[in-house]
Amino acid sequence: NAGVTQTPKFQVLKTGQSMTLQCAQDMNHEYMSWYRQDPGMGLRLIHYSVGAGITDQGEVPNGYNVSRSTTEDFPLRLLSAAPSQTSVYFCASGLAGDYNEQFFGPGTRLTVL
Amino acid sequence: GESVGLHLPTLSVQEGDNSIINCAYSNSASDYFIWYKQESGKGPQFIIDIRSNMDKRQGQRVTVLLNKTVKHLSLQIAATQPGDSAVYFCAENPYSGGGADGLTFGKGTHLIIQP
Repeated sequence: NAGVTQTPKFQVLKTGQSMTLQCAQDMNHEYMSWYRQDPGMGLRLIHYSVGAGITDQGEVPNGYNVSRSTTEDFPLRLLSAAPSQTSVYFCASGLAGDYNEQFFGPGTRLTVL
Repeated sequence: GESVGLHLPTLSVQEGDNSIINCAYSNSASDYFIWYKQESGKGPQFIIDIRSNMDKRQGQRVTVLLNKTVKHLSLQIAATQPGDSAVYFCAENPYSGGGADGLTFGKGTHLIIQP
């Protein structure tokens, strides 16, 4: 199994641009989530999904959209990038009901100029 | 503010010694407390969790202690090895919404292993 994969690994955007961060998992996990990690801070939840067709907001959802059309994929869309969205983004997946053990991808480092 | 925090941002230990990483929490209603390890350039990796009705749980070379009286969580790593060098995060699962609405992470402690 490849586990959780994320693309791209690095991205630089200009303010106002939009883009999609890709996330895929091959473990047949129902639960998927997106976190952002800023320097000196822990991870903060952006959006999550408990299954295909179901998404919900986390702690910091503003400026981001998600969709879950398949079990495997959970893309994160930045609608109009802002410098405050400069961060490292992690996608994670896990078994439904076992929310303590999340399997994280390698991350996408995003810089917004 | 953060409901889960760490006492020390950096901890330096000698290889072979035991390491103790501490964490304070404020949400007494949390159902689970969890430790994650993040190596440089990688995503966090689950280490161990403990339910709020327990005070100790052991894994492979790791022990987590929970003191609900003082709202304190610790991770003990036995015989620290170079591969243990990482940032360690404590997290809590408030279990609100059934637990799906995410973990609350602390800021992290950087464990440095001295040869």
